[in-house]
Amino acid sequence: DAKTTQPPSMDCAEGRAANLPCNHSTISGNEYVYWYRQIHSQGPQYIIHGLKNNETNEMASLIITEDRKSSTLILPHATLRDTAVYYCIVSGNTDKLIFGTGTRLQVFP
Amino acid sequence: DSGVTQTPKHLITATGQRVTLRCSPRSGDLSVYWYQQSLDQGLQFLIHYYNGEERAKGNILERFSAQQFPDLHSELNLSSLELGDSALYFCASSVDRGNYGYTFGSGTRLTVV
Repeated sequence: DAKTTQPPSMDCAEGRAANLPCNHSTISGNEYVYWYRQIHSQGPQYIIHGLKNNETNEMASLIITEDRKSSTLILPHATLRDTAVYYCIVSGNTDKLIFGTGTRLQVFP
Repeated sequence: DSGVTQTPKHLITATGQRVTLRCSPRSGDLSVYWYQQSLDQGLQFLIHYYNGEERAKGNILERFSAQQFPDLHSELNLSSLELGDSALYFCASSVDRGNYGYTFGSGTRLTVV
């Protein structure tokens, strides 16, 4: 699976959009980009995934660059409850998803 | 409630002992995954079962074993416990092999004293 690079931490004001970047320059053609988050020792929560097209669901939007070497997870209106560690995972084999260290997002009032 | 049930929620045991952690997947899910999360290691993949068969294995210690039963629930057995085995153990499930995301349970917190 391709390696991902995420900033260790980010801040965001409540009500603003949170844009979480992820670099995956060695991604291969059959690998998907997955995003999960973990709120303080709770079980990780699936957010969204995509291959090459931008994706949107009720939680977030995923923007993947045309060359697929990077992506951005967008939380359109961050709330305090969105404070969590966000994991970007690139994988072509979902038999085992390997979590990295993620980005710790702090949403402040 | 994610629909993935893990029991017990908390477990305190002594070194050298053996424990069994249980996971019931969401209704209809055929895959079960186990992860270990300790403070210094992050989330570590242990093992994946699909419809009773082992599909993938991570860096699972030989002292640890798992199985998935015909009713699809899974058990993770940890033996000869050491202090370093203290961690959160998460189970996740998915309807197939996880292409559309895993659903995690709330975890079992194991403390070895």
